[in-house]
Order: sequence, then C-alpha cells, then structure tokens
Amino acid sequence: DTAVSQTPKYLVTQMGNDKSIKCEQNLGHDTMYWYKQDSKKFLKIMFSYNNKELIINETVPNRFSPKSPDKAHLNLHINSLELGDSAVYFCASSRGGQGGPGANVLTFGAGSRLTVL
Amino acid sequence: GEDVEQSLFLSVREGDSSVINCTYTDSSSTYLYWYKQEPGAGLQLLTYIFSNMDMKQDQRLTVLLNKKDKHLSLRIADTQTGDSAIYFCAESKTPYNFNKFYFGSGTKLNVKP
Repeated sequence: DTAVSQTPKYLVTQMGNDKSIKCEQNLGHDTMYWYKQDSKKFLKIMFSYNNKELIINETVPNRFSPKSPDKAHLNLHINSLELGDSAVYFCASSRGGQGGPGANVLTFGAGSRLTVL
Repeated sequence: GEDVEQSLFLSVREGDSSVINCTYTDSSSTYLYWYKQEPGAGLQLLTYIFSNMDMKQDQRLTVLLNKKDKHLSLRIADTQTGDSAIYFCAESKTPYNFNKFYFGSGTKLNVKP
C-alpha cells in the first residue's frame, strides 16, 4: 500500500492552461504539505494544511490554490500555467502535534513532474 | 535566517566511507534530519538527531553534530552503489512545530564500482 500517493506522475501541458495534482495519504497523518523541487533539486515548501486548515502559505503566486477536502487529501490547482512552473511537485505528510521528532517526520509521495511548454 | 547549505557533489569508490556535510544558520533548530532521494522518487527519511546530541549511529550511518559551529555530517560506512542518490539535510525548529522544514540543496553522491 502506498502511504502518500500523487497523481498524475507526469503532466505535460501548454502555457496558459489550468491543471490539478492530487494527493492522498493513508497514514492517518494530520498535516500535509506541497513542496516544489526545481531543476537544481532545490526543495521549497509551498503550502501546509493541518486537519484541513491552511497553516503555511509561502510566497507563492495566487495562481496556485491548494484544497483539502479532508485531512487525508490535499490537492493543488494551478491556473494560467507559466514556463517557470515546470518542476517536480512533492506532496508530503507528517503526524504533527506533540510527539517528539517522529511527529515531524515527513513522508513524501513519489512526485509529480510538471512540464509546461 | 534558515539557510541550510550543502556541497552539491560527492564521488567515492565502492567500499570507501562517504561523508556528506551540512551547515545551518538557525541556532534554535531542535531536530536535524537526513533524507535520501533516489532517482525519480520522493525523499525518504534516513535518520535524525536531536540538537542536544553529538552523535547518533544507526548501522552504516553515523551522524555527527557540532552545535557550536552549526555543522552536521552524515557518514556512510562501506558505501555501496545502491547508496548513489541525493542526500538532503533538513532542520526544524521544534519537534512540535509542524510548520516548516528547511532543506539544504542536496548533495549528489556518486558511488563508483
């Protein structure tokens, strides 16, 4: 069973289109994240939700909108895609709360590679 | 700030030891983590260390923490070709702050047979 699953794994689209990436975790974790990894492998947090509530919203263009229908799901919708949005997007989850370092251990999905042409 | 820095590349021969280094700037960091990313995959936790520890050993992995210099290292003994991957160090401020991790840029380890 995949703990954190993302779909699609690959996404190729034209500039200006709108696309979504979905993420689901079956670990019972309370906190979910979206990270962006650029071509140089630099990993930067975009959003974090705890129990469906947005708790981190980094400096990300408004074209990016996360949605968490329940604590097991965190989707990422991107409007008006630009060339610079090409990257690998990773979903992650953590137990959260008080519980030592284990509470903050991130479990990552396999990533969704977005290519904007 | 929360800058975490790593060297970009390391190349070793199979059977040798690898040492991957990381420096961080936030002295309030409480936990420091090492993650491994294999090609085409997400990051997987290797190990972590609490900031009041100097060393942690886990099988072939040894983590050393110099809190005064804000320097973290990961030593892999008897490096194997399967260890070839990108290794990220990360810091978080407190174990209960689920808000943010700060990742280094990753060190690409190449193990030559």
